[in-house]
Amino acid sequence: KAGVTQTPRYLIKTRGQQVTLSCSPISGHRSVSWYQQTPGQGLQFLFEYFSETQRNKGNFPGRFSGRQFSNSRSEMNVSTLELGDSALYLCASSTGTSGRAGQLETQYFGPGTRLLVL
Amino acid sequence: KNEVEQSPQNLTAQEGEFITINCSYSVGISALHWLQQHPGGGIVSLFMLSSGKKKHGRLIATINIQEKHSSLHITASHPRDSAVYICAVPLNEKLTFGTGTRLTIIP
Repeated sequence: KAGVTQTPRYLIKTRGQQVTLSCSPISGHRSVSWYQQTPGQGLQFLFEYFSETQRNKGNFPGRFSGRQFSNSRSEMNVSTLELGDSALYLCASSTGTSGRAGQLETQYFGPGTRLLVL
Repeated sequence: KNEVEQSPQNLTAQEGEFITINCSYSVGISALHWLQQHPGGGIVSLFMLSSGKKKHGRLIATINIQEKHSSLHITASHPRDSAVYICAVPLNEKLTFGTGTRLTIIP
């Protein structure tokens, strides 16, 4: 099976712009979670989508949003970019049938999208 | 205080040494994950465990639910084991990560 893919891999934006990142999960996986990794805060949970519905959400402002399509592919959007949004954005997929992300099921991570905001 | 504490933050060892990385957490959990992150960012899930011990090759993970503590051991360490090792637990139904242990194995 193909692994989790994320596009684009690298992105440079300027403050105030918006950005959309894409994640394609492993075939058959219905749960997609998004994480932000920065040197200062480490890895932080953004949100999880399961069967096109947001099932869980981390403590991020409303500028961070996401959605999931019927084929389980997911996108996340960050509007009005700030310098502090520069980070590695990772998505992970799982079947999602054992509860919320990370509870009782292995997550499979994509390679990440590295976003630089200037 | 972080809800998930890892130690040590950095670890340098000679090839062949036995490595131990520790993870402590603050509340009851359903499972604990050990992840490996190589330079470049990709994360690989090494173990998910809710009790006892798991082994995969030279890697062993143990968890003590009562003491809220887990350890990751690497036997016969090799330079290719150099990476950041991260433990993660579901707290308040959100996967919460430790700050990671940067492991460097010197040939």
